[in-house]
Amino acid sequence: GDSVTQMEGPVTLSEEAFLTINCTYTATGYPSLFWYVQYPGEGLQLLLKATKADDKGSNKGFEATYRKETTSFHLEKGSVQVSDSAVYFCALSDKGNTPLVFGKGTRLSVIA
Amino acid sequence: GAVVSQHPSWVICKSGTSVKIECRSLDFQATTMFWYRQFPKQSLMLMATSNEGSKATYEQGVEKDKFLINHASLTLSTLTVTSAHPEDSSFYICSARTGQQPQHFGDGTRLSIL
Repeated sequence: GDSVTQMEGPVTLSEEAFLTINCTYTATGYPSLFWYVQYPGEGLQLLLKATKADDKGSNKGFEATYRKETTSFHLEKGSVQVSDSAVYFCALSDKGNTPLVFGKGTRLSVIA
Repeated sequence: GAVVSQHPSWVICKSGTSVKIECRSLDFQATTMFWYRQFPKQSLMLMATSNEGSKATYEQGVEKDKFLINHASLTLSTLTVTSAHPEDSSFYICSARTGQQPQHFGDGTRLSIL
């Protein structure tokens, strides 16, 4: 079945450091790919998405590019802030009506 | 943007009590709603998928008599945890979607059973 693998956390970075959170997927078709963010005590918020190969999703300084050849959707940000501290989930949806399949999440802590 | 409201955000109750959690899509009609459970520091586990007007589809291992789901309208789904016990304590999150649009999530309900 479909699955998402993302790098284990926690990840601790200093403010203004570069962030990469790796995500790879396995799917039978051509899925849509997502990154969600969960702040402490809250639900999930959609951060960005990409629906086809070579698409780049971006939002709030975060970016991820849909790489079909490597089945990856790595999340990057050039300069993290303390307010970016959260848990980040990579997810895919294989067909329009199927529920999201989530990775295990990566906890990011940014220190001043 | 699409807003999903989940209520209550936090509930504490005695063992044996039944607890109802509501999930509403405030500014769109949700053809499909999903219920997830999240254990501390873990990912979201899909419990069930519900389509308006039809019975929910439960994931393997989820007791349908324990977790009653009703999706009575295009803007409301409820999850009732019946005769809750301490092992049911968890963070429950709903999400809603219309057609093939992305899922939008509620803020979650933290359930603590004493």
